[in-house]
Amino acid sequence: NAGVTQTPKFRVLKTGQSMTLLCAQDMNHEYMYWYRQDPGMGLRLIHYSVGEGTTAKGEVPDGYNVSRLKKQNFLLGLESAAPSQTSVYFCASRKATDPYEQYFGPGTRLTVT
Amino acid sequence: RKEVEQDPGPFNVPEGATVAFNCTYSNSASQSFFWYRQDCRKEPKLLMSVYSSGNEDGRFTAQLNRASQYISLLIRDSKLSDSATYLCVVNMRPNTDKLIFGTGTRLQVFP
Repeated sequence: NAGVTQTPKFRVLKTGQSMTLLCAQDMNHEYMYWYRQDPGMGLRLIHYSVGEGTTAKGEVPDGYNVSRLKKQNFLLGLESAAPSQTSVYFCASRKATDPYEQYFGPGTRLTVT
Repeated sequence: RKEVEQDPGPFNVPEGATVAFNCTYSNSASQSFFWYRQDCRKEPKLLMSVYSSGNEDGRFTAQLNRASQYISLLIRDSKLSDSATYLCVVNMRPNTDKLIFGTGTRLQVFP
């Protein structure tokens, strides 16, 4: 039982490049989330999904897109990376019946130069 | 005003000490409260939920004061392994499962 995994762990992009971050969970959780964490700021919600095929915007969605084609996967896309998107990105998931404990992946450290 | 505020610390304490962190929240309608722990360069993990009556888990005690809109975390008999950042987390609005995370309070326990 791997829990929540994220790919890649590290990435350096140049401004304007695109990439996709992959989150996978093997706990059969309905809800999945993408957060970013920056120094001096709390985790901020980018997008989330309450089930396969559904997504919704969080607090800071601009510049990101997401897809949830399979229940176990939640993808975060950056179409045209900007230096302001340099951050640590965490994926999380939870059971629909347990509203408050979110299980986090190990994070992806992204630097945009 | 931030929705959830914490003293960033660091709190530097010797092993065996008792240390307490507070966190304030702005929305009086907030429903649920938690403490998450985050080790350096790792993901956050749920430490404990905070109930109105207060709750204890071993060396850790969490309390909620709705009147003053703050929650607290008390750690007794600190261990080196308690060194981490402690995140205050609030379910800010009723009928939503979105969590609001504080910026965290860093604890460093030294020998």
